[in-house]
Formats: sequence, C-alpha cells, structure tokens
Amino acid sequence: DTGVSQDPRHKITKRGQNVTFRCDPISEHNRLYWYRQTLGQGPEFLTYFQNEAQLEKSRLLSDRFSAERPKGSFSTLEIQRTEQGDSAMYLCASSLLQGVTEAFFGQGTRLTVV
Amino acid sequence: EDKVVQSPLSLVVHEGDTVTLNCSYEVTNFRSLLWYKQEKKAPTFLFMLTSSGIEKKSGRLSSILDKKELFSILNITATQTGDSAIYLCAVEDLSGTYKYIFGTGTRLKVLA
Repeated sequence: DTGVSQDPRHKITKRGQNVTFRCDPISEHNRLYWYRQTLGQGPEFLTYFQNEAQLEKSRLLSDRFSAERPKGSFSTLEIQRTEQGDSAMYLCASSLLQGVTEAFFGQGTRLTVV
Repeated sequence: EDKVVQSPLSLVVHEGDTVTLNCSYEVTNFRSLLWYKQEKKAPTFLFMLTSSGIEKKSGRLSSILDKKELFSILNITATQTGDSAIYLCAVEDLSGTYKYIFGTGTRLKVLA
C-alpha cells in the first residue's frame, strides 16, 4: 500500500494522559499536513511541514500539542495532558511540493478521551 | 479571515435525482479548489480546479469554478445510493504557506 498511513487507527485514553500518533506520507511527498475533524465539521488545519521544517501552526494548536517530522519522512503528533475536548479524528495528508497537486489523506486516528 | 462555505449542509434525495452542491470562498491568495468525498474515514479526492469556466468531469460527477464570483459547484447526475457521503470543498491558500482550508461539507443521503 503506497498511500498515506496513520497509526493507530483508534485510541482511547484517560483524561490527563499523553498520546502520540504517527503518519507515514507517500514517499516522494515533501508536504505534510495534520488536520483535526470533529463530528459535523470539515477538517481544521493544525500544522504544515515542508520536508522537516514546520512552517505553519494553527492557533488551534495549543502548547499541549507538538508535531515533528525529524527526517522529512514520517511525522508524529503528540498531545500532552489530554482533555475531553481533544476527542476528534486526526487526519494526516501529504502532497508534492512542485506544481499544483491534490493532497492525499490517511485513514485518520480517532481519539476518544474519557 | 479566510473561509470556505458550503451549501446546503445536508441533502436527502432519491436514486436517479440530480444534485448540485455549492462552495463559495474568500481566501487571500487562491491557488486551487478541490472537491473530496468522505464516506467513513479518509477524504478521497474527486477534482481539482484552477481555471474559471473549465468543467472537470468524471462519470456522473462534474465540477466547475468561477474565480470572478468566487464559487464552485459539484453536480452529480443519476444519483445512486453509493453516492451517499459527505462532500468537502477545500481551497488551497498561498498566504504564508500552502494549506488547504475546508468547508464544513455537504452531507448527501441518497435513498433507494
């Protein structure tokens, strides 16, 4: 499977715990995005990487959230001290840097904070 | 503030009907507009539009962009139950960095 891969697919955690999600983009894609989607809403932009550089972070991304893409390949998104309001689907997408191209999405990680 | 607005929010039709989904946008530095279909999890790509007036077509689905009036429509003819999904419109904004701004989506339900 050469698409965008996310792990885990589901995560249930207790409030206050830390969680980490992983995204493996399509191998030649330089651009990587994290989005969050709640029920009845479209995906909301969280952060963007171009290769290993994190070039933009949404104001939605509080200081409990951190994302990395250490070698310009896979990326991780960590949420510290989770809150019930963090419950959502976390989507990763990737695209090519050159040209006008579409973003390809992974299957998402559904987080439930209890 | 940049925004993408989709209408209607939801739609229920019968098989064989034709539907038109709307997407209007306000972004500072437009690059492209994209339509995605989301059934259960990952949005899957349908169309990308960059130029006004050029229709993109794939089977029973078609889409067109009007960059002067800042909107796009997605048409689905002869709807089938398998078309039931959320249809998302996104605009690629070049302000600052490249990111896609999504609308809230249109939830389409096609009844047999």
